[in-house]
Amino acid sequence: GNSVTQMEGPVTLSEEAFLTINCTYTATGYPSLFWYVQYPGEGLQLLLKATKADDKGSNKGFEATYRKETTSFHLEKGSVQVSDSAVYFCALSGGFGYSGGYQKVTFGTGTKLQVIP
Amino acid sequence: GAVVSQHPSRVICKSGTSVKIECRSLDFQATTMFWYRQFPKQSLMLMATSNEGSKATYEQGVEKDKFLINHASLTLSTLTVTSAHPEDSSFYICSARDEDLGQYFGPGTRLTVT
Repeated sequence: GNSVTQMEGPVTLSEEAFLTINCTYTATGYPSLFWYVQYPGEGLQLLLKATKADDKGSNKGFEATYRKETTSFHLEKGSVQVSDSAVYFCALSGGFGYSGGYQKVTFGTGTKLQVIP
Repeated sequence: GAVVSQHPSRVICKSGTSVKIECRSLDFQATTMFWYRQFPKQSLMLMATSNEGSKATYEQGVEKDKFLINHASLTLSTLTVTSAHPEDSSFYICSARDEDLGQYFGPGTRLTVT
């Protein structure tokens, strides 16, 4: 079945540091890939997504590129801010046999990011 | 953007009692709602999928008689944990899906069974 593996946290960075959160996946076919963010006390929000190989999703300065050859979707940001402190979830849906309509989303374990001033 | 609320945010109950958790889509009608469970340092595990007016579809290994789901309207789904036990203590998260807007998550409910 589908699975997502992401680096354990917490990740602690100083403000303006470069961020990378690694994510690799296992799936057959061509799944869609997502990054969700959960700020303290709030629900998960879609941060960015990519639906095919070599696509780059981007939002709020965050980027992730769909790498089929390495089955990865690493999240990056060039300069983090204190307000980026949250838990980040890598996820996928779809894959082999996808025929449209809703596909179940498989989540990674989440990585907590702490940005200190 | 679309907002999904959950109530209560935290609940503590005694072993053997039942607890109801509500999930509401506040500004859109959800064709489908989902219930997830999250253990500490683990990923969200889908428990069940519910469509308004029909029976929920449960994931393998989830006891449907223990986790009762009612999707009474396009804006409300409830999860009732019946005869709760300490091992049911967890973080329960719902999400609601709109055909055009996508899927939106609630803030979660922390259940502690003593």
